[in-house]
Amino acid sequence: AQTVTQSQPEMSVQEAETVTLSCTYDTSESNYYLFWYKQPPSRQMILVIRQEAYKQQNATENRFSVNFQKAAKSFSLKISDSQLGDTAMYFCAFIATRFGAGTRLTVKP
Amino acid sequence: ETGVTQSPTHLIKTRGQQVTLRCSSQSGHNTVSWYQQALGQGPQFIFQYYREEENGRGNFPPRFSGLQFPNYSSELNVNALELDDSALYLCASSLGQWNTEAFFGQGTRLTVV
Repeated sequence: AQTVTQSQPEMSVQEAETVTLSCTYDTSESNYYLFWYKQPPSRQMILVIRQEAYKQQNATENRFSVNFQKAAKSFSLKISDSQLGDTAMYFCAFIATRFGAGTRLTVKP
Repeated sequence: ETGVTQSPTHLIKTRGQQVTLRCSSQSGHNTVSWYQQALGQGPQFIFQYYREEENGRGNFPPRFSGLQFPNYSSELNVNALELDDSALYLCASSLGQWNTEAFFGQGTRLTVV
């Protein structure tokens, strides 16, 4: 069974600084998709970034980028130039079926 | 383009009752997935419907059932409610099954007393 582990329940970062959220997963599949979702206090999940496992190049979306290490089954999210609006729960997900427990990120002014 | 809408937003039920939650998928999407999110936890996959057929199911008992309609809207039905069923229920729609971006609704907060 696939499992997703986020080992940092809470993190904080100063505005404009960089923060990295960790995620590891377990699977025997070779081709799959990984996602980072953001859930602000409004509850609505929003896709942050997606990575296809067969692509070696790390995905990037504006200030958000991932470090995807397939052999290590690691999928971390880096947020550059953190903004107050980045304050939210962040969930790592394996395909659509398995989510981690989340990391609560607080961006401080 | 309309987003994913869920109804109702909040619901209180008594243990043993039955509940139906509804989800209207985003225009053009043919896949709907349902999740249960307990307080302080990540979403747990309940099941997915693709073109009106159940396409995958998580570790939930049969009293959790669903439907997808020809317009791709969906219902989640839960029978014989238990206190542990209290959670936020999220619906997500997508075009395709496992690899595409899912668009989430704002959820239905179910409280079982």
